[in-house]
Amino acid sequence: ILNVEQSPQSLHVQEGDSTNFTCSFPSSNFYALHWYRWETAKSPEALFVMTLNGDEKKKGRISATLNTKEGYSYLYIKGSQPEDSATYLCASPRSDNTGKLIFGQGTTLQVKP
Amino acid sequence: EPEVTQTPSHQVTQMGQEVILRCVPISNHLYFYWYRQILGQKVEFLVSFYNNEISEKSEIFDDQFSVERPDGSNFTLKIRSTKLEDSAMYFCASSVSGTGQYFGPGTRLTVT
Repeated sequence: ILNVEQSPQSLHVQEGDSTNFTCSFPSSNFYALHWYRWETAKSPEALFVMTLNGDEKKKGRISATLNTKEGYSYLYIKGSQPEDSATYLCASPRSDNTGKLIFGQGTTLQVKP
Repeated sequence: EPEVTQTPSHQVTQMGQEVILRCVPISNHLYFYWYRQILGQKVEFLVSFYNNEISEKSEIFDDQFSVERPDGSNFTLKIRSTKLEDSAMYFCASSVSGTGQYFGPGTRLTVT
């Protein structure tokens, strides 16, 4: 059974702080790792799809790294802004890529002005 | 930018009643999914649909649940006889190729 875990569950930071959180997954039969950003009452928005060990992707102030050998991915936010407040979800498909995503429990970020 | 839409945004129903949750996937997408999130728990997969048939379903997706793509546009999830434990946020997603899923905003189902 593929189990995806995220930590911490929630995070409160001040505007301007940089922050990071973790997604861990079984390193065997890895196929891909997805990061989503989910604001209340909106659709979860795809941030990154990562497939290669050592991958690093960036979108503005947000970046992510991937270590498939040890089974973790970090999401970094540089200089957090109040609009970054959201729940960040990671998810991984099964190795045969049927599309079924297994989600972590999410990290809820609150950025205080 | 194309997006997945879902209606209604919030549905309140009594236990034992049937509900239909509606989704309009992105028009050129071929793979369709339903997920749900019970409050405080992980988002969990319910069912995937491709080529007009279910390609995979989870243990949660029992005989009370069904999906349909009645008109080539809408993708619906029906719960025949709702239970209290069906209360959750239900998300529809669609994909061109089975990866890179685009999610709708969800329907919050409350069963009383």
